Amino acid sequence: DQQVKQNSPSLSVQEGRISILNCDYTNSMFDYFLWYKKYPAEGPTFLISISSIKDKNEDGRFTVFLNKSAKHLSLHIVPSQPGDSAVYFCAASEASGTYKYIFGTGTRLKVLA
Amino acid sequence: DTEVTQTPKHLVMGMTNKKSLKCEQHMGHRAMYWYKQKAKKPPELMFVYSYEKLSINESVPSRFSPECPNSSLLNLHLHALQPEDSALYLCASRPTGGAQPQHFGDGTRLSIL
Repeated sequence: DQQVKQNSPSLSVQEGRISILNCDYTNSMFDYFLWYKKYPAEGPTFLISISSIKDKNEDGRFTVFLNKSAKHLSLHIVPSQPGDSAVYFCAASEASGTYKYIFGTGTRLKVLA
Repeated sequence: DTEVTQTPKHLVMGMTNKKSLKCEQHMGHRAMYWYKQKAKKPPELMFVYSYEKLSINESVPSRFSPECPNSSLLNLHLHALQPEDSALYLCASRPTGGAQPQHFGDGTRLSIL
C-alpha cells in the first residue's frame, strides 16, 4: 500500500523554464510534507517543507503548494537550472506522531541546457 | 558537506561475515533513523531511535541489529546477510518536537557476495 505516490518517474525541462513535480498521498492523518533532492552516491538533501495549516511555502526558487482536499502537493522550481538535475522525493509524516516519514517513489528531473 | 557522517562509504562482505555500519551526528538531534534504499526505489524505513531508545522497528529481520550507544552515535550490526540485502543504507537524524525535517548522511553502499 503506497501511501505517497509520485506518478511521473521522470521529467525533462529546458533551462530557465519552470519544473513542476507532483505528489499524491492517501493518508488524511499526514500533516507535514517535505521535498528532498538526491544526487547519485549522496544522501537525500532537504529542500523545503510545508505543514497542513498552510497551502504554500516559498524558499528562493522553490515553492511547495499543498491542496489538502485533493491530497496533492507539488514542487515548483523557477527558473530551472542544470544543477537541479536529480531525483526528487516527496515525503509525508504525522508531525505530532511517531517521527515516521513515508517517502514517495521519486521523480528524476533532467534540466536541459 | 553533510552533517551526518556515515562510515564506511562502501562495504563488501560475505554471507557469513559480521560487520557494523556507523553513523554520527553532532547537531544535538535526539531522533535517529536507519533506512534501506534499493536502486530506483524510495528510502525504506528500518529503525527509529528516540532519546537513545528504539521506538520503531519496521519488522526488520534479526540479522540487522541496531544500537544507539549515545545521543550522537548510531550503529547497525550486520550478521549472516543475504544477497538481497545489498543496498544503500542511509542514516538520518532530526530534532525532536514538532514538524522538523530529517538530515541524511551519504550512506553506506553494501554489497553481499
